[in-house]
Amino acid sequence: GEDVEQSLFLSVREGDSSVINCTYTDSSSTYLYWYKQEPGAGLQLLTYIFSNMDMKQDQRLTVLLNKKDKHLSLRIADTQTGDSAIYFCAEIRENQGGKLIFGQGTELSVKP
Amino acid sequence: DTEVTQTPKHLVMGMTNKKSLKCEQHMGHRAMYWYKQKAKKPPELMFVYSYEKLSINESVPSRFSPECPNSSLLNLHLHALQPEDSALYLCASSFRQNLEGNQPQHFGDGTRLSIL
Repeated sequence: GEDVEQSLFLSVREGDSSVINCTYTDSSSTYLYWYKQEPGAGLQLLTYIFSNMDMKQDQRLTVLLNKKDKHLSLRIADTQTGDSAIYFCAEIRENQGGKLIFGQGTELSVKP
Repeated sequence: DTEVTQTPKHLVMGMTNKKSLKCEQHMGHRAMYWYKQKAKKPPELMFVYSYEKLSINESVPSRFSPECPNSSLLNLHLHALQPEDSALYLCASSFRQNLEGNQPQHFGDGTRLSIL
């Protein structure tokens, strides 16, 4: 398909790990991004991964990339209530002038 | 805290008004972007400026008019908007436009626009 796909909702308990999944479409995307959006705010760049990597870790965040299946995931360890937000994955469409194409966003709800 | 500053934070205007949204960054970025975002939806690209020149216009209606007076400033002039134009308008910037390697975009907090 033409869309970057994410599941819409995820609910976890505080202290658990969260895994947010994304399926992208452009196999030639060189970089893939994760953004976080809290209520009433803009998008905050969380992390990105280069397409020749299969994993990137940054403190509580782990990004896994399966290029064969065009599958990207974001794992948040020890999830806190402050992690409650909408998370967007995004790919670059090289054949569309380098446009950033976002998934629909996954709303993460962290319960105490 | 965001390094891309947008003003105003909120704007309410009638369909016959003319207003402008402003965006400023001092990170030395040479690509700047306008996005429109409806509630609980992903941002939709409207315009891209690269080195102060319009690079991408995503077939946006002419009632939206972008302007890039210098490398730090980006404006969006609004005239005769419709109720369906009510949305969050986000500005973003990156060192270069995406075709030149990894150029993550940094977003402002947006202007929440309501059209009466």
